[in-house]
Amino acid sequence: GENVEQHPSTLSVQEGDSAVIKCTYSDSASNYFPWYKQELGKGPQLIIDIRSNVGEKKDQRIAVTLNKTAKHFSLHITETQPEDSAVYFCAARVGNTPLVFGKGTRLSVIA
Amino acid sequence: EAGVVQSPRYKIIEKKQPVAFWCNPISGHNTLYWYLQNLGQGPELLIRYENEEAVDDSQLPKDRFSAERLKGVDSTLKIQPAELGDSAVYLCASSLGNANTGELFFGEGSRLTVL
Repeated sequence: GENVEQHPSTLSVQEGDSAVIKCTYSDSASNYFPWYKQELGKGPQLIIDIRSNVGEKKDQRIAVTLNKTAKHFSLHITETQPEDSAVYFCAARVGNTPLVFGKGTRLSVIA
Repeated sequence: EAGVVQSPRYKIIEKKQPVAFWCNPISGHNTLYWYLQNLGQGPELLIRYENEEAVDDSQLPKDRFSAERLKGVDSTLKIQPAELGDSAVYLCASSLGNANTGELFFGEGSRLTVL
């Protein structure tokens, strides 16, 4: 089945700097790649997603890039703010099978 | 609009005791998921319902875990008997549409501690 690896496990950045989180997946048939943000004591919330027919997608300060050849995708957060501090999960899905999540990245934005 | 509601938020029990978690999905969402989240890990699917039918329960430890979704709305996840290794957060999610399509909306989770 699908396997998703996520790096780094923890990331600290200064407020205003950029943060990048990377994920690799194993199944070349995967076609949907969402990113979820989980704040302390809350459930994960979708922040952005990308499908395999698109190479990049942006939403204000957040962007996701996909490299199907290398089977990796990345989350980019620009101009980080303290409220961006959370755990971020990438995930991948093959067709109609369940999402497979990475192990998460704990992002700390230092004011 | 109300989100996915789970209860209880926290539960502490002794090993070998039973425990049940309840989930009310977003109105109109026909697909419901139960996920297990261990500390420092991503969510792992336990079971998925489309309406009242369990369509993916391959990861549910059926010797001690059971779930039901009567009338295709609310769902209950039960563990009997609980073991120390069951300590985790149990997340419920729902989505509009079938077959794993669409955005997952998660509840806040039920944190279980087994002593």
